[in-house]
Amino acid sequence: SQQGEEDPQALSIQEGENATMNCSYKTSINNLQWYRQNSGRGLVHLILIRSNEREKHSGRLRVTLDTSKKSSSLLITASRAADTASYFCATASGGGADGLTFGKGTHLIIQP
Amino acid sequence: SQTIHQWPATLVQPVGSPLSLECTVEGTSNPNLYWYRQAAGRGLQLLFYSVGIGQISSEVPQNLSASRPQDRQFILSSKKLLLSDSGFYLCAWSGGGLEQPQHFGDGTRLSIL
Repeated sequence: SQQGEEDPQALSIQEGENATMNCSYKTSINNLQWYRQNSGRGLVHLILIRSNEREKHSGRLRVTLDTSKKSSSLLITASRAADTASYFCATASGGGADGLTFGKGTHLIIQP
Repeated sequence: SQTIHQWPATLVQPVGSPLSLECTVEGTSNPNLYWYRQAAGRGLQLLFYSVGIGQISSEVPQNLSASRPQDRQFILSSKKLLLSDSGFYLCAWSGGGLEQPQHFGDGTRLSIL
């Protein structure tokens, strides 16, 4: 079953603007991860935030986590055309073999 | 460095035919291995995972099976494909542990006719 739900489903912005994507989940988690998928390719891990962390940065990425609201956000600053991709949140809850539960993703389009 | 190979990239099969998709990992030992399916415009659904040779766990009932004959080899199979088996199949590995990221292959696009 899918736990994470990203919002919006699709987002189109101009190059240079900031892009914000949100993720909500339903159960208690150990950590939440964000992945990126270029069209027709596999997923690439971007960043992991633990349940006891509230914010994390990596380059142009900023992730927040609010466990009381069971939600997370991914901010991409100064977007580039190459950021065009689908972005997925995934939660780790201690299930079988550390399996992740993925959301449906946000499709981000950066217009040059 | 670690790499993951998945093949074929695309596959068109008739209904009722068998299936074998292969995934191999290089540069690491005793990885956790995963098979996911992604329907168009949807997230990933975990199908199978394996923590060691010969150890397979299934997350959902289905027409597919998986095997791990070697430490770094993971195979997805079916004896008779259904139309509903169409989708994008992704193999992934991780080092084990909840805080280990998963590393994905480039997937197989399977179309059933």
